[in-house]
Amino acid sequence: NAGVTQTPKFQVLKTGQSMTLQCAQDMNHEYMSWYRQDPGMGLRLIHYSVGAGITDQGEVPNGYNVSRSTTEDFPLRLLSAAPSQTSVYFCATRQLTGRGEQFFGPGTRLTVL
Amino acid sequence: ELKVEQNPLFLSMQEGKNYTIYCNYSTTSDRLYWYRQDPGKSLESLFVLLSNGAVKQEGRLMASLDTKARLSTLHITAAVHDLSATYFCAVDGETSGSRLTFGEGTQLTVNP
Repeated sequence: NAGVTQTPKFQVLKTGQSMTLQCAQDMNHEYMSWYRQDPGMGLRLIHYSVGAGITDQGEVPNGYNVSRSTTEDFPLRLLSAAPSQTSVYFCATRQLTGRGEQFFGPGTRLTVL
Repeated sequence: ELKVEQNPLFLSMQEGKNYTIYCNYSTTSDRLYWYRQDPGKSLESLFVLLSNGAVKQEGRLMASLDTKARLSTLHITAAVHDLSATYFCAVDGETSGSRLTFGEGTQLTVNP
């Protein structure tokens, strides 16, 4: 089992460019989410999904879009990158029954120039 | 809105000493999680606490949950340098839907 995978690991963008951060999971978890973590700070929830076809906004959704067409994939789109979006992005998945533990991907380090 | 507060936010301690990190939360919940994050790495699950009075131990770390006090503790016994990391608690609030609410994290440094 690969668990939660994210690509790319590192990315540098210019202001105004768009890109998609990929997140995939093979744990059959209903819940998937995206966080950003800035230096010395905690986690801030961007968007989340409780199943295919269902997405919702977290604390800091502006500038980001998501979709969930399959259980396995939850891509995060930056529409027009800004320097304020320089951050480390983590995807996480969670089974909504049982222990409810949340598992994190390895992260994508994004720099916007 | 569920709020989760950890203290201290920064902790510098000597090897061999004991200390406790506290995680307080503001609304009813009986599910709480502890995570560890090493610098430049992702978050790794440490403990899953699913009921009042739950206690879990792994090596020099022990976590407990008191749902009546809305408090979880992460106790460190005889700290070693390898425990240096940032520790986060996360709460599954009854009114938060499926989202976990994270504390700000406690940055622990264990000095020789």
